[in-house]
Amino acid sequence: AQSVAQPEDQVKVAEGNPLTVKCTYSVSGNPYLFWYVQYPNRGLQFLLKYITGDNLVKGSYGFEAEFNKSQTSFHLKKPSALVSDSALYFCAYITSGTYKYIFGTGTRLKVLA
Amino acid sequence: GAVVSQHPSRVICKSGTSVKIECRSLDFQATTMFWYRQFPKQSLMLMATSNEGSKATYEQGVEKDKFLINHASLTLSTLTVTSAHPEDSSFYICSAPQRGANTDTQYFGPGTRLTVL
Repeated sequence: AQSVAQPEDQVKVAEGNPLTVKCTYSVSGNPYLFWYVQYPNRGLQFLLKYITGDNLVKGSYGFEAEFNKSQTSFHLKKPSALVSDSALYFCAYITSGTYKYIFGTGTRLKVLA
Repeated sequence: GAVVSQHPSRVICKSGTSVKIECRSLDFQATTMFWYRQFPKQSLMLMATSNEGSKATYEQGVEKDKFLINHASLTLSTLTVTSAHPEDSSFYICSAPQRGANTDTQYFGPGTRLTVL
């Protein structure tokens, strides 16, 4: 079955350190992959997406993600974490032909001051 | 960017009553909208696809008679939870792709927290 997986329920990192939130995919064909962030009691905010082109995608708030076809990964990264980055992060893909999002289970990021 | 609103943001109701949640695209038209449900500390689960001018398409396991969806116009979709029970308590989120744009470009509403007593 096609899916995206986020192997870590929670990631903790100190402020100023680089952060990585992991996502792997199992999708046939060319995947459309996304990262969204959710703050408490809020909807989802778009961070970035990979459709085609450069494997390194730059997004909002200094985030970036690298599409790695050989490792079937799309990890979210940021060079220097901020306390305000603490939130719930979702990896997602669009099912081919339907344009419906399928979300990963989410990773809670905690950035410690 | 495009904005999607939801109303109400929070609602508390008694068991057995019905609750209507609105999803509006404020500055663009959307022939399709999606409704998701999110349980505490869990991911979003797609419930249904709302289609303007036709019936909604429900995902497997979602009761269409319990979760009534009406796409009244190109900017409004409503989700009505009928005969609500405590297990229906959840965070409901809608999304809408901007008409004419790539539908991978979707905008999410801020969510509605439903609590059924």
